[in-house]
Amino acid sequence: DAGVTQSPTHLIKTRGQQVTLRCSPKSGHDTVSWYQQALGQGPQFIFQYYEEEERQRGNFPDRFSGHQFPNYSSELNVNALLLGDSALYLCASSLYRTNTGELFFGEGSRLTVL
Amino acid sequence: AQSVAQPEDQVNVAEGNPLTVKCTYSVSGNPYLFWYVQYPNRGLQFLLKYITGDNLVKGSYGFEAEFNKSQTSFHLKKPSALVSDSALYFCAVRDRNTGGFKTIFGAGTRLFVKA
Repeated sequence: DAGVTQSPTHLIKTRGQQVTLRCSPKSGHDTVSWYQQALGQGPQFIFQYYEEEERQRGNFPDRFSGHQFPNYSSELNVNALLLGDSALYLCASSLYRTNTGELFFGEGSRLTVL
Repeated sequence: AQSVAQPEDQVNVAEGNPLTVKCTYSVSGNPYLFWYVQYPNRGLQFLLKYITGDNLVKGSYGFEAEFNKSQTSFHLKKPSALVSDSALYFCAVRDRNTGGFKTIFGAGTRLFVKA
């Protein structure tokens, strides 16, 4: 049973560039959430996707956008990168009808912005 | 606004001794409460959750947590610590009234278990 997979694991970008991160949820899950974890901090909620729509959003600017595909996989896009966007980006999957359920996390994509 | 506080950046305990990692929360209504653990360069792993019912919740690897509504706390405990328990622990809350999976995490507490 495949867990949550994310790609790439590491990447380096320069200020102003754009980045796309990818996530495949755990088998059987239909909901994907994205979190940003800066160094020494807890994960911060970016947004959640279900049925290919953004359902909830945290306090992140419009530079952060996403997409969910019919196979439930998801992408996180960040435009006009800033140095402060350097962080570990975590994808978490869950089953929408059981919102009492825990999140299953991938190992993350570590983004460094120079 | 929802928030989670983990007042200790680091907890040090000797192997075999009991451990407690503290968590308090602020959220309207009755929240769902969670504990996750993170090992170096890894994603978060679920340990346990409180949804309703018994205030003492048992989870993975011998961990348990006690929900205290009056003190708005959800402290993580283990009767006998292992060196392998050394990791970063996150307390998290979810507002059951808003639905969805938006989860608020604390800043984390690093647990160091000395042999």
